[in-house]
Amino acid sequence: NAGVTQTPKFQVLKTGQSMTLQCAQDMNHEYMSWYRQDPGMGLRLIHYSVGAGITDQGEVPNGYNVSRSTTEDFPLRLLSAAPSQTSVYFCASSPVSGGSYEQYFGPGTRLTVT
Amino acid sequence: AQKVTQAQTEISVVEKEDVTLDCVYETRDTTYYLFWYKQPPSGELVFLIRRNSFDEQNEISGRYSWNFQKSTSSFNFTITASQVVDSAVYFCALSEAFGNEKLTFGTGTRLTIIP
Repeated sequence: NAGVTQTPKFQVLKTGQSMTLQCAQDMNHEYMSWYRQDPGMGLRLIHYSVGAGITDQGEVPNGYNVSRSTTEDFPLRLLSAAPSQTSVYFCASSPVSGGSYEQYFGPGTRLTVT
Repeated sequence: AQKVTQAQTEISVVEKEDVTLDCVYETRDTTYYLFWYKQPPSGELVFLIRRNSFDEQNEISGRYSWNFQKSTSSFNFTITASQVVDSAVYFCALSEAFGNEKLTFGTGTRLTIIP
């Protein structure tokens, strides 16, 4: 099993450009989410999905779009990149149940917006 | 609203010393889950432990132990006989009972073990 994979590992964008961060998991997990990690702020939830076709906003959704057409994939789209979106982005997945399972994290994507 | 506070931003100890990382949480839920994750210098996030709010038993796993106290809303993490490989950023996190969507992280504690 590959677990949770993210591409690319590193990306540099100019202000105003758009791009998609890819996330895939092969564990058949229903729940997937995106976090951003900034110095001194821990990880903050951007968007999440509890299954194909279902997405919702987290704590810091502005400037990002998501969709979930398959169980495996959960891409994160930056519509018009801004320097404030310079961050490390982590995708995570977990099974859904009445309890809260650990979330399996991908290796992260380091994004710099100039 | 949920909140997790890790007041210790950075800690340095000499190898083989014991060290405790503090975590204080706030939630209105009566059922919730607490987690600890480790982020080594390589950057990945490594799951260490999950504890639900009904289970206040302390847990020990090798050199790691966790002390969960609902009365003080704390879930502290102790490393005994620290080693250089323990150097990392440690995150405490909290989630609601039904679903993982509200996983709230603390700001992390950077632990440095000095050889």
